[in-house]
Amino acid sequence: VQLVESGGGLVQPGGSLRLSCAASGFTFDSYWMHWVRQAPGKGLVWVSRVSSFGDNTIYADSVKGRFTISRDNAKNTLYLQMNSLRAEDTAVYYCARARGIFDSASNVYYYIDVWGLGTTVIVSS
Amino acid sequence: DIQMTQSPSTLSASVGDRVTITCRASQSISSWLAWYQQQPGKAPKLLIYKASNLESGVPSRFSGSGSGTEFTLTISSLQPDDFATYYCHQYSGYWTFGQGTKVELK
Repeated sequence: VQLVESGGGLVQPGGSLRLSCAASGFTFDSYWMHWVRQAPGKGLVWVSRVSSFGDNTIYADSVKGRFTISRDNAKNTLYLQMNSLRAEDTAVYYCARARGIFDSASNVYYYIDVWGLGTTVIVSS
Repeated sequence: DIQMTQSPSTLSASVGDRVTITCRASQSISSWLAWYQQQPGKAPKLLIYKASNLESGVPSRFSGSGSGTEFTLTISSLQPDDFATYYCHQYSGYWTFGQGTKVELK
């Protein structure tokens, strides 16, 4: 099981970047996927999640309206389109796989079980 | 949003020590809690899921307990590879993480 992010770099405030995450070693379209970020010297912050078929997405308030998560199951790839970037978006961005677990009422809860290596985004003029 | 608060923020310990980290949720999350270990410059690694279930391949010196709003991660005998930062993570609602606990050498 492997997740490899790419697409990070240096971008000016107000600019855009598209991150990619190539998945291998598992049946990609069976899993929800997340993006999580970590600012320099700080903790982990959840960014966004997409369902297994890409038809359901959720975003943290801090990125809502600026970031778009998507996936191409034919290419086993997850994406994060980031627009209107701000200095506070500077972070390592991790792609992560979510594993589902059921409760006694057959509700399913998804926790992150596999993480990518991360790609660094720096927003600075 | 459900807030997760870890304590302590930093913990100084020696090899062989028993170490306990606490995580508190701002509202009940049942047992929908995971723990991760992160080494400097590396991606996080899953240790525990559903509060007390040990992930495959993780040493048995790691254990988790708790339910509702209070949870603990215990390392029964700290090993050199265990000096790292540990995060709790709730997945009952939108996903949130604790702020992290750094375990450092005393």
